[in-house]
Amino acid sequence: AQSVTQPDIHITVSEGASLELRCNYSYGATPYLFWYVQSPGQGLQLLLKYFSGDTLVQGIKGFEAEFKRSQSSFNLRKPSVHWSDAAEYFCAVGAKAAGNKLTFGGGTRVLVKP
Amino acid sequence: EAGVTQFPSHSVIEKGQTVTLRCDPISGHDNLYWYRRVMGKEIKFLLHFVKESKQDESGMPNNRFLAERTGGTYSTLKVQPAELEDSGVYFCASSPDRGFYEQYFGPGTRLTVT
Repeated sequence: AQSVTQPDIHITVSEGASLELRCNYSYGATPYLFWYVQSPGQGLQLLLKYFSGDTLVQGIKGFEAEFKRSQSSFNLRKPSVHWSDAAEYFCAVGAKAAGNKLTFGGGTRVLVKP
Repeated sequence: EAGVTQFPSHSVIEKGQTVTLRCDPISGHDNLYWYRRVMGKEIKFLLHFVKESKQDESGMPNNRFLAERTGGTYSTLKVQPAELEDSGVYFCASSPDRGFYEQYFGPGTRLTVT
């Protein structure tokens, strides 16, 4: 069975500082990996995805993520955080063998200090 | 192109009442998914339609939940009778029916059962 762990429930970061959100997954084969963001009052928006190929993936809003098979990780990074990045971030894993349904981590809520 | 829409955005009902949630997927998307986030927990898969057929309903919590997708377009999720533990945010997502694609999420319906 698939599982996703986001170890950090809350993270506070100063505006302009770098951000890294951790995600670890468990799956027998190479999964499809996603990061979604939910801003206050909004739905889930896809930031980026990894299916195959280059393990460093670029997404929207200046985010990137790196797939590390040896560590079963897919951490999300942003070099310089903006106040508008305050939101909840979800890592998710999917697989064709699992019928394409997504398994989500518990989410990490990011607070941006001025 | 219109995104995934959900109605209503909020619903407050009393225990024992019935509620019907609606999801309109992106036009042309054969795959439609329902997910739920109960307060403080992770987003969990409920079920998956391919066109009008239920492909996977392994995440449906019990027989008080009934999902339909007549004609392979919009979907409804009925909860009858609602219980307190049904409170949460119900998300709908859709994706094209070729290979494995990212899922596009709607804004969610926040259900509160009192």
